[in-house]
Amino acid sequence: AQKVTQAQTEISVVEKEDVTLDCVYETRDTTYYLFWYKQPPSGELVFLIRRNSFDEQNEISGRYSWNFQKSTSSFNFTITASQVVDSAVYFCALSESNDMRFGAGTRLTVKP
Amino acid sequence: DTGVSQNPRHKITKRGQNVTFRCDPISEHNRLYWYRQTLGQGPEFLTYFQNEAQLEKSRLLSDRFSAERPKGSFSTLEIQRTEQGDSAMYLCASSLVPGKNIQYFGAGTRLSVL
Repeated sequence: AQKVTQAQTEISVVEKEDVTLDCVYETRDTTYYLFWYKQPPSGELVFLIRRNSFDEQNEISGRYSWNFQKSTSSFNFTITASQVVDSAVYFCALSESNDMRFGAGTRLTVKP
Repeated sequence: DTGVSQNPRHKITKRGQNVTFRCDPISEHNRLYWYRQTLGQGPEFLTYFQNEAQLEKSRLLSDRFSAERPKGSFSTLEIQRTEQGDSAMYLCASSLVPGKNIQYFGAGTRLSVL
């Protein structure tokens, strides 16, 4: 059965600090996809990244970077030089077939 | 390119009433998904359509819930005889297959059952 664990319920940082959001997943499939979404206070889930299980290359997009390690079943997300606008709930998700299983989310608060 | 649109944004109803939500996906997307999200939790999959065919339903989708996508475009989710436990955010997402099958979400409909 697929499962996603985001152990950090809430994180609070001061602007310009770096912050890493952890994601650990469980799956029996060899082919799967991992995602990160951002949910700001407005409620709409915003897609950030999709990674397939065969691509372990780390990815950087501006201040965002992702570290995928199959050996530890982790797909961690780092925000460098955080900004107040980064405040949101961040969800990690796993897809083996047609649906997605989400973690419980990490609420990030960035204080000025 | 307009995103996924959901109506209404908020719905307050009394226990026992029926409610219906609408989702308009991104126009060229052939897949449409419904999720439910309760406070402090991630979205939970309910069901999905490919074009007009409903291909998968979660065990979470009780008999009181029904979803349709009659022409393969917009979809409706109806809850009959609502219960207080149905209070949640109902999210719709759409994607395009074949392709990367990335799900893009609407802003959701928040249901409060009194």
